[in-house]
Amino acid sequence: DIQLTQSPSFLSASVGDRVTITCRASQGISSYLAWYQQKPGKAPKLLIYAASTLQSGVPSRFSGSGSGTEFTLTISSLQPEDFATYYCQQLNSYPIFTFGPGTKVDIK
Amino acid sequence: EVQLVQSGAEVKKPGESLKISCKGSGYSFTSYWIGWVRQMPGKGLEWMGIIYPGDSDTRYSPSFQGQVTISADKSISTAYLQWSSLKASDTAMYYCARPREMATLGAFDIWGQGTMVTVSS
Repeated sequence: DIQLTQSPSFLSASVGDRVTITCRASQGISSYLAWYQQKPGKAPKLLIYAASTLQSGVPSRFSGSGSGTEFTLTISSLQPEDFATYYCQQLNSYPIFTFGPGTKVDIK
Repeated sequence: EVQLVQSGAEVKKPGESLKISCKGSGYSFTSYWIGWVRQMPGKGLEWMGIIYPGDSDTRYSPSFQGQVTISADKSISTAYLQWSSLKASDTAMYYCARPREMATLGAFDIWGQGTMVTVSS
């Protein structure tokens, strides 16, 4: 099975900061990676798919990059509504679409 | 509007059975896979399995194989997740989700609101 790790697990940042979250896969997954945002008590929301394609309606301050085993999610200027937990998900290893353990972004 | 609407919260005792539902609307239900995701209290997302309602092709994550049953009734555009004998460790929020693209497995852009299942004696 493909395992995903995320770093950091927890991130404390201020409004306006540039934030980068890394997701690493235990084996190559090409660009079959998605990023989700989840706020407390809410369902996850798709931000990025195919590693770097912005989902419709998602602000352009979010961007994704990477392929193979290393991926990043970047928020160029953190906004108050961005404080949430972020998960990566690999979609290469059918039918087991593993999620990463999550990165919580909190207010400094 | 494309949406998935899940059944309401459940409180059950260990050993009881349960079937929760996920009703799709606003799209061709038989043309998109539906996945199920578990989130235990305070924890991350866990992939459980998927079903293609068009032909009921069903696949499970090994962690959940034999522990749950995923099914669908295309006549009423509804997918199900069921347990025959609940355990306290099944206490969690359960989400259904639909991929972006028809008949393919990719990122999931439509999510149900979640069903909280509490198992306690």
